[in-house]
Amino acid sequence: DTGVSQDPRHKITKRGQNVTFRCDPISEHNRLYWYRQTLGQGPEFLTYFQNEAQLEKSRLLSDRFSAERPKGSFSTLEIQRTEQGDSAMYLCASSSAGGRTEAFFGQGTRLTVV
Amino acid sequence: SQQGEEDPQALSIQEGENATMNCSYKTSINNLQWYRQNSGRGLVHLILIRSNEREKHSGRLRVTLDTSKKSSSLLITASRAADTASYFCATHSYSGAGSYQLTFGKGTKLSVIP
Repeated sequence: DTGVSQDPRHKITKRGQNVTFRCDPISEHNRLYWYRQTLGQGPEFLTYFQNEAQLEKSRLLSDRFSAERPKGSFSTLEIQRTEQGDSAMYLCASSSAGGRTEAFFGQGTRLTVV
Repeated sequence: SQQGEEDPQALSIQEGENATMNCSYKTSINNLQWYRQNSGRGLVHLILIRSNEREKHSGRLRVTLDTSKKSSSLLITASRAADTASYFCATHSYSGAGSYQLTFGKGTKLSVIP
């Protein structure tokens, strides 16, 4: 297993377009997190899955953002009608169930909205 | 939203010196974790300390936790130029209905000068 992988690594899109990012977690991990990080800031929580169930979604997340995790495996994060303020690094992390809660992060997808 | 607040925001030291970073948080936690991030990359887990632990060591890292003060510190001894990175604390807490949150602070940017 090579860890958490995210695709694409970079995405440039025009304002108003939709974008979708993919995250493949470590195979035995049932917990999956999405975060957004802007320059000089810490990762900001977006949403959390346990298996296929989306259990937590940040109140800061607008309706333009949606995430899925079909069959509890890979996850996708879609942003509709992108705005310049959506430009950021989008990070995915996974962790196993039980007491081992440390998260393993992917390299992130850097989104630039022009 | 971000729960942890690291202090200082930036720290510059000479190679061989010790580096101490502090983290304060607001709500009750299951555990507190420290992560490292090299510029433009994903986060790497360093160490986890549970809420019933007061101190933990891992190699050149020493973490303390004071739940009465809702604070933690990370000490890196005998620093090396390769330790240059941003360091984040993250609190793991139960947010209800079987859901957990892993919430990050804004980070301390450490520069180790050779």
